[in-house]
Amino acid sequence: DSGVTQTPKHLITATGQRVTLRCSPRSGDLSVYWYQQSLDQGLQFLIQYYNGEERAKGNILERFSAQQFPDLHSELNLSSLELGDSALYFCASSFRSKGNNEQFFGPGTRLTVL
Amino acid sequence: AQSVTQLDSHVSVSEGTPVLLRCNYSSSYSPSLFWYVQHPNKGLQLLLKYTSAATLVKGINGFEAEFKKSETSFHLTKPSAHMSDAAEYFCVVSGLLSYGKLTFGQGTILTVHP
Repeated sequence: DSGVTQTPKHLITATGQRVTLRCSPRSGDLSVYWYQQSLDQGLQFLIQYYNGEERAKGNILERFSAQQFPDLHSELNLSSLELGDSALYFCASSFRSKGNNEQFFGPGTRLTVL
Repeated sequence: AQSVTQLDSHVSVSEGTPVLLRCNYSSSYSPSLFWYVQHPNKGLQLLLKYTSAATLVKGINGFEAEFKKSETSFHLTKPSAHMSDAAEYFCVVSGLLSYGKLTFGQGTILTVHP
């Protein structure tokens, strides 16, 4: 158990809908990262927050947004869902925001868009 | 820019024989390198990390990796495979000077035969 929690574990929804994925980092970690794992794209970095502020953006679609709240939990919002958004979404956390700090991953949320 | 290439998409070994999973990296700056493992329907677990200290890094469960700058490689090895090692392994790079974005290789699926 990494100490990172993600809810829900599974999510099934329809095209055009909007969903929210939630992540609670390990106790004491200030940075939260979101990753998407799909069969065709592999594991890709989406976005990073550090202590409530956005720090880095990766291949995140404009239909997707995220935020980190004062209690450091984070939410990833996915809207106007398409079939291709079906994937495993991981949250990770670390203490620092830069460099060589290892990241601890949650169990993931499996999103299925029908 | 940074990237990793995992040279084998699948590796198959017999229980008790050595394991070698190959990884080459590319990074503009001194990289941090990691190996993560993902068991079926599980999250990602850190096996080991290299952060410019010793070039031979020991990780959990008997795994180790050697950083070779001249070859830009970071291969993962284990002297004797166990059935429980069957999983997908990811070689990962992060730049020391960049925010904590992790760049993942495409993964190597390790199969262990009895």
